[in-house]
Amino acid sequence: NAGVTQTPKFRVLKTGQSMTLLCAQDMNHEYMYWYRQDPGMGLRLIHYSVGEGTTAKGEVPDGYNVSRLKKQNFLLGLESAAPSQTSVYFCASGTTDTQYFGPGTRLTVL
Amino acid sequence: GENVEQHPSTLSVQEGDSAVIKCTYSDSASNYFPWYKQELGKGPQLIIDIRSNVGEKKDQRIAVTLNKTAKHFSLHITETQPEDSAVYFCAASKSGGSNYKLTFGKGTLLTVNP
Repeated sequence: NAGVTQTPKFRVLKTGQSMTLLCAQDMNHEYMYWYRQDPGMGLRLIHYSVGEGTTAKGEVPDGYNVSRLKKQNFLLGLESAAPSQTSVYFCASGTTDTQYFGPGTRLTVL
Repeated sequence: GENVEQHPSTLSVQEGDSAVIKCTYSDSASNYFPWYKQELGKGPQLIIDIRSNVGEKKDQRIAVTLNKTAKHFSLHITETQPEDSAVYFCAASKSGGSNYKLTFGKGTLLTVNP
């Protein structure tokens, strides 16, 4: 049981480039979430999904898109990266209230 | 929406002492309150949680208390050890239907000095 995994672990982008972060979970959880973590800001919800084929906006959705084509995967996309998107991104999954987090992706946008 | 305030932002204690971290929430309908521990370079890990129908919950050296009237909850760590050093986050959720979103506090950096 791997739990929640994230790919890649580190990435450096130039302004304007695009990329996709992949989150996978093997716990058959319905709910999946993407957060960003910045110093002094805690964890802020970007987008979330309450089931396969569904997505919804969180607290800070601008500049990001998501897709949940398969129950076990939740993808976070940056179409045109900006320096303000430099952050550590965490994926989480859960059944109801409880959320289990992945190890994170550290993204730097130059 | 929900707002969660967490204090203190940093806490330094001597090994063996107790540590207390406090959080307040704004939405009286919130009914689920987890605590997460985040070690350096890792993702947050759930360590204990409490629901609004319970006033206190313990798990070995950690305990959480909830005061619904005052809308605050606290994490208590007794007999602290160096491996307790980490960032701790509180969170609140108003669960029901398809609403299972957590609102997090900004975190407390706990340092346990040997």
